[in-house]
Amino acid sequence: DAGVTQSPTHLIKTRGQQVTLRCSPKSGHDTVSWYQQALGQGPQFIFQYYEEEERQRGNFPDRFSGHQFPNYSSELNVNALLLGDSALYLCASSLLTSYYNEQFFGPGTRLTVL
Amino acid sequence: AQTVTQSQPEMSVQEAETVTLSCTYDTSESDYYLFWYKQPPSRQMILVIRQEAYKQQNATENRFSVNFQKAAKSFSLKISDSQLGDAAMYFCAYRSAGGAGGTSYGKLTFGQGTILTVHP
Repeated sequence: DAGVTQSPTHLIKTRGQQVTLRCSPKSGHDTVSWYQQALGQGPQFIFQYYEEEERQRGNFPDRFSGHQFPNYSSELNVNALLLGDSALYLCASSLLTSYYNEQFFGPGTRLTVL
Repeated sequence: AQTVTQSQPEMSVQEAETVTLSCTYDTSESDYYLFWYKQPPSRQMILVIRQEAYKQQNATENRFSVNFQKAAKSFSLKISDSQLGDAAMYFCAYRSAGGAGGTSYGKLTFGQGTILTVHP
């Protein structure tokens, strides 16, 4: 049973560019959450998708957008990249109706903005 | 808004000894979950242990146990018989137990993390 997978592993972009990160949830999961983790810090919640809709959003600007597909996979898009967007982006999946709604994390995508 | 604070940026322990990591949180909610996650250098975040706020009994998972003090809003993690593989960044996290339609349902709020070093 494959866990949560993310692609790419690493990404280097320049300021002003746009980036798309991808996430495939754990088998049987229907909810995907995205987090931004700056170096040496705890993850910060960006947003959560369920039934192809954004259900919750953290304190992130509109430059951060996402999408969930019918197969539950998800994309995170960031427009007009800033140096401060350099971080590890974590995807977590869960089953909304499960008792704990436990989130399983992927290995992350390391984004570097030059 | 909920906040989670880990006041120990770094901790160290000798192999086979016991170490306790501290976490405090702030919330106005009465029903919630608390978690400890481990993030080894390979980056994959792994759930170590969870605690439901309505349960008075402290959770245990093998060598890992928590001391949950609801009134004090404290949630510490004790690692017994420490092993080299326990070395990692540890995060305390909070999640509301609101219903599926709640605005905070599913969102995890993390602390800043504690780096644990295990000495042989």
